[in-house]
Amino acid sequence: GDSVTQMEGPVTLSEEAFLTINCTYTATGYPSLFWYVQYPGEGLQLLLKATKADDKGSNKGFEATYRKETTSFHLEKGSVQVSDSAVYFCALSVIGNEKLTFGTGTRLTIIP
Amino acid sequence: DTEVTQTPKHLVMGMTNKKSLKCEQHMGHRAMYWYKQKAKKPPELMFVYSYEKLSINESVPSRFSPECPNSSLLNLHLHALQPEDSALYLCASSQDSDRDISYEQYFGPGTRLTVT
Repeated sequence: GDSVTQMEGPVTLSEEAFLTINCTYTATGYPSLFWYVQYPGEGLQLLLKATKADDKGSNKGFEATYRKETTSFHLEKGSVQVSDSAVYFCALSVIGNEKLTFGTGTRLTIIP
Repeated sequence: DTEVTQTPKHLVMGMTNKKSLKCEQHMGHRAMYWYKQKAKKPPELMFVYSYEKLSINESVPSRFSPECPNSSLLNLHLHALQPEDSALYLCASSQDSDRDISYEQYFGPGTRLTVT
């Protein structure tokens, strides 16, 4: 079946540090890949997406590249801010399958 | 507009109560979803409606009853819930997948449900 393996948290970084959250996947078909962010007490917000190999999704300074050869979609940001503190979920869906498969989530805390 | 709205924001109910959660989207999406999320866990899929018809039921207990009155609305009727059903209930919507691409889902803010 489909699965997403995500870097375990929690992750604590200082403001302006470089962020990487690892995400790898297995899929029964050709997946679209997503990063969602969940701020405390809120629902999930789509952060970025990529729908084919070598696509780079980007938003709010975050980037992730769809790497088919390594089945990875790692999330990166060059300089994190306190406001980036949240839980980040990597997810995939496969054409013809309406389900989103989520990773376990990574809790990120940025300290001033 | 990529907004999915959910009401109420918070709900406290006893085990003998009947209540409903509501979800609305005006993006023209034809797929709508209910998820349950426990603390520190990813969302778990409960139901999927596609073109107003139930297409996936993830073996959810019958005390949860979904309803899709039209393409913009999704309800979740609750009856005789248990304390372990306390969770954040999330609604989502998406364009229906086509031959070449699987589309992203847009989530609402959720209803925080407490069963006493």
